[in-house]
Amino acid sequence: DTGVSQDPRHKITKRGQNVTFRCDPISEHNRLYWYRQTLGQGPEFLTYFQNEAQLEKSRLLSDRFSAERPKGSFSTLEIQRTEQGDSAMYLCASSLRQGLDEQFFGPGTRLTVL
Amino acid sequence: DQQVKQNSPSLSVQEGRISILNCDYTNSMFDYFLWYKKYPAEGPTFLISISSIKDKNEDGRFTVFLNKSAKHLSLHIVPSQPGDSAVYFCAARTGTASKLTFGTGTRLQVTL
Repeated sequence: DTGVSQDPRHKITKRGQNVTFRCDPISEHNRLYWYRQTLGQGPEFLTYFQNEAQLEKSRLLSDRFSAERPKGSFSTLEIQRTEQGDSAMYLCASSLRQGLDEQFFGPGTRLTVL
Repeated sequence: DQQVKQNSPSLSVQEGRISILNCDYTNSMFDYFLWYKKYPAEGPTFLISISSIKDKNEDGRFTVFLNKSAKHLSLHIVPSQPGDSAVYFCAARTGTASKLTFGTGTRLQVTL
């Protein structure tokens, strides 16, 4: 399977704990995106990378959130001091280049903060 | 501010009939539109897209229509099949941006 993969698929944590999610994009794709989806809503943009450079961050990405893509391949999204409001599906997507290329999504990581 | 709106949260259609899913947008800078389909426990899957220089794009059973003056697009599925039952998201992008702005989705149920 050469699609976008995410790990873990599910994460349950207690409020105040730190969590880290990983995304492996499609191998030749140089753009990587993080989105968050809550119940009844569409995915909301968080941030994106072109290669290892983080080029845009949403206002949704508070200072408790940090994303990295150290070698321009996989990416991690860390949430520090989790809050119940962070409970959501975190989706990763990748695309080949800017322009008309569609974004390919992974299966997501469902985070539940107790 | 919801820039992409899908006002019908759900739609039920009989197998073999046409499904029409609607989407409205408010940002006139959007110039590329996409439809994604999402099954439970999976990420969204790209379905079809359209550039603002066109008013129609067709791919097999799926056709997307764009009415720029009305800031409206629609996805037609004909004939509808039970496997089309899923949540459909409309998304939009401006030419210089990479991020997608999604609507809230429409759940399509195709009945036998």
